[in-house]
Amino acid sequence: ETGVTQTPRHLVMGMTNKKSLKCEQHLGHNAMYWYKQSAKKPLELMFVYSLEERVENNSVPSRFSPECPNSSHLFLHLHTLQPEDSALYLCASSQEYSLSGASSYEQYFGPGTRLTVT
Amino acid sequence: GQSLEQPSEVTAVEGAIVQINCTYQTSGFYGLSWYQQHDGGAPTFLSYNALDGLEETGRFSSFLSRSDSYGYLLLQELQMKDSASYFCGLYNFNKFYFGSGTKLNVKP
Repeated sequence: ETGVTQTPRHLVMGMTNKKSLKCEQHLGHNAMYWYKQSAKKPLELMFVYSLEERVENNSVPSRFSPECPNSSHLFLHLHTLQPEDSALYLCASSQEYSLSGASSYEQYFGPGTRLTVT
Repeated sequence: GQSLEQPSEVTAVEGAIVQINCTYQTSGFYGLSWYQQHDGGAPTFLSYNALDGLEETGRFSSFLSRSDSYGYLLLQELQMKDSASYFCGLYNFNKFYFGSGTKLNVKP
């Protein structure tokens, strides 16, 4: 496989369920990202990992818990979600995480997981 | 937080040129990026402007003017496959910010 893959592509879960989203990148990148994309709203950055260390946490509710076991894999663990959490969750990677370099801006996205919370 | 403003929708005909603007209210950011996203697809990177001026990549060009707090994406020789959403993004104060996106409709 090439690029960035995400599983599952679609997920329906109840508010009391626990589920996990998985992302894998085959690009040899050192930085990985989780984004939330809701209809008609800007893309929201949730978490950033650089060399398996979390470097940003943008005030995301604790019901979302990221995990980065190695530089190729990223998980988003979900529990006790709310209906307003229904959205497209996108994973991305970049060569590195650099505040000033173009390599952070050139991100490669996966196809996303369409999450519906009922 | 910071905000980036883009028109919500633009329509143009095949073969034409279209400009999608992005205005922002911030300072001291590192650069402005542009992404394309087809319906149901993943965003794909188009360009990045670290400095003021025009960056050209084939039919697409991107421009940044820090003094005017705006940038734009210029698409030339429009093709039907260019119908997609386009959004700008910047990095400021340890956060990435993105616009809501502009839906481009290309008509035959």
